[in-house]
Amino acid sequence: AQRVTQPEKLLSVFKGAPVELKCNYSYSGSPELFWYVQYSRQRLQLLLRHISRESIKGFTADLNKGETSFHLKKPFAQEEDSAMYYCALSGHNTDKLIFGTGTRLQVFP
Amino acid sequence: DAGITQSPRHKVTETGTPVTLRCHQTENHRYMYWYRQDPGHGLRLIHYSYGVKDTDKGEVSDGYSVSRSKTEDFLLTLESATSSQTSVYFCASRLAGEMTQYFGPGTRLLVL
Repeated sequence: AQRVTQPEKLLSVFKGAPVELKCNYSYSGSPELFWYVQYSRQRLQLLLRHISRESIKGFTADLNKGETSFHLKKPFAQEEDSAMYYCALSGHNTDKLIFGTGTRLQVFP
Repeated sequence: DAGITQSPRHKVTETGTPVTLRCHQTENHRYMYWYRQDPGHGLRLIHYSYGVKDTDKGEVSDGYSVSRSKTEDFLLTLESATSSQTSVYFCASRLAGEMTQYFGPGTRLLVL
């Protein structure tokens, strides 16, 4: 079964500290992975997708097929990074995204 | 972002009443989705559409129905609202052949 697991509900760090939001997935083929971000009371926005291999707002994520992970990383957290982050998966023969339960990132000054 | 809107943005209703939420997109996206967002559950798919008049169920479809009579509009109806349907509802859409979904601003629904 397709599944996305985000083990941390809440991650709290101080400004300038490194951040890693964990995402593990279960999928039998080659998935497409995404990170979405939702700032307070706003709509979800695409942060990045693994096939584009780009860095957005200083965040990066590498697909590790051996560990079935797609962790989101940023070397130096900023207060404006405080938000809800969702990892999502899409298989190549499906019309749908499967979302994890989300991790709330709090960055303290 | 301006290409996907939802109405109403907030609604309070009573148990047992029907409720219809509207999603409107001006992007000419073929696919449209309805999700609900609840603490501890993330986003769960209710229904989706892969074209005009073509819809399918998601993982939490009980108590909900949808309709898509034209490309730009996707309606979600709660046939008889229950308190368990109190939630934030998000609509999303995407192009065919492209998996990135674009989200609307959400509708906060409170069922008393």
